[in-house]
Amino acid sequence: DTGVSQDPRHKITKRGQNVTFRCDPISEHNRLYWYRQTLGQGPEFLTYFQNEAQLEKSRLLSDRFSAERPKGSFSTLEIQRTEQGDSAMYLCASSLVGPAIIYFGEGSWLTVV
Amino acid sequence: GQQLNQSPQSMFIQEGEDVSMNCTSSSIFNTWLWYKQDPGEGPVLLIALYKAGELTSNGRLTAQFGITRKDSFLNISASIPSDVGIYFCAGQLKMDSSYKLIFGSGTRLLVRP
Repeated sequence: DTGVSQDPRHKITKRGQNVTFRCDPISEHNRLYWYRQTLGQGPEFLTYFQNEAQLEKSRLLSDRFSAERPKGSFSTLEIQRTEQGDSAMYLCASSLVGPAIIYFGEGSWLTVV
Repeated sequence: GQQLNQSPQSMFIQEGEDVSMNCTSSSIFNTWLWYKQDPGEGPVLLIALYKAGELTSNGRLTAQFGITRKDSFLNISASIPSDVGIYFCAGQLKMDSSYKLIFGSGTRLLVRP
């Protein structure tokens, strides 16, 4: 399978714990995106990378959130001191540079209890 | 900020019926994309539109990029039970050095066998 893959698919954590999600993009794609989606809503942009550089962060990305793409390949999204409001699906996507089609992974569901 | 108004919010139709949904915005987009999302999964691309006025088909799906570049519609002909899901429109526009993807809030489609 050469699509975008995300791990883990589901995570249940206690409030205050840290969680980390991993994304492996389509191999030739320079850009990697993180989105968040809550029930009944469309995906909302969080941040994106071009190669290893994080070029933009949404206001939705609080200080407790950090994303990395150290070698320009896979990326991690860490949420520190999780809160119940962080419960959502975290979607990773990738694309080529420019006005290219963005392909999504299957998402990582986070439930904070 | 940019917003996409997607309608209808939900549709409950009989198998075999045709379906139409649309998105409008006050912003001009370079590209329109239509995605389908099944429960617990990431969005899957259905159709991409690149030019104003473009009409593109993918099997029973047909989508058009509005002449004003501010709207798009998706039609599904002869619906079948596996068409059930949430359909999202997404408009892509160039902002600074990047291309942002803005999502509508989705149309939930239910098909009665």
